[in-house]
Amino acid sequence: AQSVTQLDSHVSVSEGTPVLLRCNYSSSYSPSLFWYVQHPNKGLQLLLKYTSAATLVKGINGFEAEFKKSETSFHLTKPSAHMSDAAEYFCVVSDRSGGSYIPTFGRGTSLIVHP
Amino acid sequence: EPEVTQTPSHQVTQMGQEVILRCVPISNHLYFYWYRQILGQKVEFLVSFYNNEISEKSEIFDDQFSVERPDGSNFTLKIRSTKLEDSAMYFCASSRTSYEQYFGPGTRLTVT
Repeated sequence: AQSVTQLDSHVSVSEGTPVLLRCNYSSSYSPSLFWYVQHPNKGLQLLLKYTSAATLVKGINGFEAEFKKSETSFHLTKPSAHMSDAAEYFCVVSDRSGGSYIPTFGRGTSLIVHP
Repeated sequence: EPEVTQTPSHQVTQMGQEVILRCVPISNHLYFYWYRQILGQKVEFLVSFYNNEISEKSEIFDDQFSVERPDGSNFTLKIRSTKLEDSAMYFCASSRTSYEQYFGPGTRLTVT
């Protein structure tokens, strides 16, 4: 069984300051982990993914995430927030339970960026 | 850049009516999916489709739901007799492999 917990429903930062969106997961198998972003009235866009290669994963728009197996975490970070980063972010875990890759979504974290 | 598209963007229907939600996946993709997100809740997996048949489905995907790829480009989700609790955002996704999924913008279904 797999699950994912996004620890914050809302994160508020000022433009130019670092972003940290937290995600913890549980998985019985070696998981694949993803971060998706959803802007208003848009679909879910893949930011980055971890699939058992390098533990530090770089994604689009300056985001990165580090897979820490000992902490079962996959937190999303960005050194400097931009106004356009304001959106909903979803952490997703997918393992090969039962031979398939059905993903489980976290509840989402709303990132608010203040000027 | 290729995108997954969905129509309509918003569908309002009365309880008990049938609805069909349409998706056009990215053209060289092989796997197709439907998800839903009830307002304020998590995105939930409904069904995956590969090689012209359902490969996985969740407990949510009961006999009221069906999927079809009628013409090699569209991928549809049909709800036979809608209930109030079917009101949600429905996302279609497609992927070339079983890993990385590309999502459409969603259809907001409102059942009154």
